[in-house]
Amino acid sequence: DAGITQSPRHKVTETGTPVTLRCHQTENHRYMYWYRQDPGHGLRLIHYSYGVKDTDKGEVSDGYSVSRSKTEDFLLTLESATSSQTSVYFCAIRDVPVGTEAFFGQGTRLTVV
Amino acid sequence: KNQVEQSPQSLIILEGKNCTLQCNYTVSPFSNLRWYKQDTGRGPVSLTIMTFSENTKSNGRYTATLDADTKQSSLHITASQLSDSASYICVVLTTDSWGKFQFGAGTQVVVTP
Repeated sequence: DAGITQSPRHKVTETGTPVTLRCHQTENHRYMYWYRQDPGHGLRLIHYSYGVKDTDKGEVSDGYSVSRSKTEDFLLTLESATSSQTSVYFCAIRDVPVGTEAFFGQGTRLTVV
Repeated sequence: KNQVEQSPQSLIILEGKNCTLQCNYTVSPFSNLRWYKQDTGRGPVSLTIMTFSENTKSNGRYTATLDADTKQSSLHITASQLSDSASYICVVLTTDSWGKFQFGAGTQVVVTP
C-alpha cells in the first residue's frame, strides 16, 4: 500500500466549529488532492496542491481552506463547519507524470451536528 | 452535468457469473481512463489505467476496454467472487498540467452466493 495516512478517521463536530483534517504521505509525491464523496455523486475535488505552498481551488471549495507547508502534509480546514459538510473526505496523491498512479487514503468520515 | 456517466447504478450477480460495467465520458482533452474498485469504508484502489491508444487492459479477472472514438469504456468481471462486491468507479484524466480527475458516480456491484 502507498504511504498515505488520513487523520482522524472519524469525527463528529458541532455546527460552527472549526475542523482540520490531515493527510500525510511518505511517497514524496508532488500532487496532493482533497475530495469529498457523497451518495449519488462521484468524488468531487475540494482543493489540490502541486507543491509546497502551491494550492488551488477545486469545484466545491466554498467553506474550505487548505495548507501545505511541507511536501508530506496537506491540511484541509473547515473554518466554520456546517451540516452540508457532513461527508466522507478522501486525500489522494500522485507523482508528476500525468499517467502515473494515484493513491487514495482510507477516508475521514465527518459528521456535523 | 457529469462528464463521466456510469451504468448501471447497481447490479446483483451470482457468484461465478460474469458482468460488464459501462462508462461513457465527454471529458476533453483526454489523457487516460482509469477504473477503481472501492470497498465499503475504504479508499478507491486502482484496477487499470488506459491511454487513448490502448484498447484493452487486464488485471486478473478484470478486463477494461476503451473506445476513444466513441468515448466509451467497459469493465468486465469474469467468474465473479464474493470479494468483488464493491463500487467500481470510472475516472477520466485530462491533459491539464496538474491532471484533473473526473469521477463517475460508480456502479455498486453485489455478488451473492
